[in-house]
Amino acid sequence: DIQMTQSPSSLSASVGDRVTITCRATQNIDTFLNWYQQKPGKAPKLLIYAASTLQSGVPSRFSGSGSGTYFTLTINSLQPDDFATYYCQQSYTTPRMYTFGQGTKLEIK
Amino acid sequence: QVHLVESGGGVVQPGRSLRLSCEASGFIFSYYPMHWLRQAPGKGLEWVAVISSEESNIHYADSVKGRFTISRDNSRNTLYLQMDSLRVDDTAIYYCARVVYSSGWDWFDTWGQGTLVTVSS
Repeated sequence: DIQMTQSPSSLSASVGDRVTITCRATQNIDTFLNWYQQKPGKAPKLLIYAASTLQSGVPSRFSGSGSGTYFTLTINSLQPDDFATYYCQQSYTTPRMYTFGQGTKLEIK
Repeated sequence: QVHLVESGGGVVQPGRSLRLSCEASGFIFSYYPMHWLRQAPGKGLEWVAVISSEESNIHYADSVKGRFTISRDNSRNTLYLQMDSLRVDDTAIYYCARVVYSSGWDWFDTWGQGTLVTVSS
């Protein structure tokens, strides 16, 4: 089974900061990697798919990169609305039996 | 507008059963594979099960295999999750979600609001 590991597990930052969250896979998943944002009491929201493609309507301060086993989610110029938990998710396995990272909680400093 | 609404959650004793429903609107439900996922209180996301558009392919997470059954009624635009032999560690918010495929990649583009299942004696 492919395992996904995010780091850090939690992160404190200020409005205007640039932050980067990493996600590592236990085997090569090419660019079959998606990122989601989840706020308390809400369902996850897709941010980025195929490692680097921004979902329609998502602000351009969000960006994703990586391939193989190492991926990053970068948020430039943090806004108050960005404080949430972020998850990576692999969609490489066939049949599709998706796995998620454990999440990164982004908090206000 | 694409919309998914789960229902059927509640409090149930260990060993009992519960059936969740997910009603879809705003898209052609029969075209899409559908998934159930869950999130235990304060924990991360766990994929639970998938059913293909015509029900020909069904897969489960090892944690629920043999106890949960995913199904769908395309005439009613509704997805189901029959949960039997429930355990305390099945306590979670259960989400239904739609997967979109494009050029070989796929992702969850639409989620329901979730329904809480609590397994407790």
